[in-house]
Amino acid sequence: DTEVTQTPKHLVMGMTNKKSLKCEQHMGHRAMYWYKQKAKKPPELMFVYSYEKLSINESVPSRFSPECPNSSLLNLHLHALQPEDSALYLCASSPWGVGGKETQYFGPGTRLLVL
Amino acid sequence: GQQLNQSPQSMFIQEGEDVSMNCTSSSIFNTWLWYKQDPGEGPVLLIALYKAGELTSNGRLTAQFGITRKDSFLNISASIPSDVGIYFCAGHYFGNEKLTFGTGTRLTIIP
Repeated sequence: DTEVTQTPKHLVMGMTNKKSLKCEQHMGHRAMYWYKQKAKKPPELMFVYSYEKLSINESVPSRFSPECPNSSLLNLHLHALQPEDSALYLCASSPWGVGGKETQYFGPGTRLLVL
Repeated sequence: GQQLNQSPQSMFIQEGEDVSMNCTSSSIFNTWLWYKQDPGEGPVLLIALYKAGELTSNGRLTAQFGITRKDSFLNISASIPSDVGIYFCAGHYFGNEKLTFGTGTRLTIIP
């Protein structure tokens, strides 16, 4: 089973709201990722967690705050977003952790609309 | 960030035709991954390649890891309507923490 789950599937929020995206995998994967994807473009990396520690922040604005409560869960906390942050947010996980053979499995994504 | 050159950008084919697409890079990779993405969904891993020259099949899909380690190819035989979507390649270099994605190939099947 290579399933990564994400909730919610869709999210509409105002610019003053606070919301969270959730991601879960039960495959024992050691690395988890957040990506942002705009229409017709490839995914853009935002954050990488390796062994539950943040290893990469791709200069993401502080209105996006990641959290890894345990090895199976990854959250993305959203606050004071802008309309241009509207996108598909993807979570991914990898069994090997960084530095090894790379095979990333993606979740279905959360479609975010910021009004 | 860097993106891989993926071609063609889009394809319009009839059902039953074979499809070929490729990805090229200016630098070498240790891993090539091929994904398919349907609208509003996450990318689904189709094939993973880990060795230069490797040829791997998954049903009607066949992918190859180029000998130079700077390119990869994906072929789809006898296309069917569910093959419609965007195909992304992604390369990974050992020790790097990131994937580098191709620009995508959009496949459309003409009735």
